[in-house]
Amino acid sequence: AQSVAQPEDQVNVAEGNPLTVKCTYSVSGNPYLFWYVQYPNRGLQFLLKYITGDNLVKGSYGFEAEFNKSQTSFHLKKPSALVSDSALYFCAVRDTGGGNKLTFGTGTQLKVEL
Amino acid sequence: DGGITQSPKYLFRKEGQNVTLSCEQNLNHDAMYWYRQDPGQGLRLIYYSQIVNDFQKGDIAEGYSVSREKKESFPLTVTSAQKNPTAFYLCASSTLPGGSSYNEQFFGPGTRLTVL
Repeated sequence: AQSVAQPEDQVNVAEGNPLTVKCTYSVSGNPYLFWYVQYPNRGLQFLLKYITGDNLVKGSYGFEAEFNKSQTSFHLKKPSALVSDSALYFCAVRDTGGGNKLTFGTGTQLKVEL
Repeated sequence: DGGITQSPKYLFRKEGQNVTLSCEQNLNHDAMYWYRQDPGQGLRLIYYSQIVNDFQKGDIAEGYSVSREKKESFPLTVTSAQKNPTAFYLCASSTLPGGSSYNEQFFGPGTRLTVL
């Protein structure tokens, strides 16, 4: 069975500094990985995905993620954080059992402070 | 939240009552999903459907039921058998994988259910 781990419940960053939100995965076969963001009392918004190709994936709002097969990681990054980036971030991996189901991590709360 | 609507936004239920949460999409997606979100637990899949008149149980289907009579609609009923129904419920939809296409899920704004 596939799984996703987000080891940090919360990440605090000063505005203007780079941010990293960590994600590691476990899946048999090729991984299909996703990042979503959730603002309070809202649904999830898609940020980016890795299917194949370049290990550095660029997404919405200046976010990018680096796929590292040897470390089974897919960390989310942004060069310069904004206060408006403060939200809950979820990493997900597509299930290998067919269909298009996703297994989500438990989420990381990002807080960007002035 | 692009093309997926959920209603109501807030729902209060007395113990022992069944309630139905609405989910409608105009994205022409074949697949639809229901998730439950609890603090610190991420999203857990309740049911999903890949085609009209067919659906499958997810990881936590007990106490829930669904129907898929139309492509656009995938209502979720929380029955009295669900022992701890207070949660935030999210509906999503996606195209189905085809060939090398593995597509992201699009989410609705959610319904917050509270049992009184």
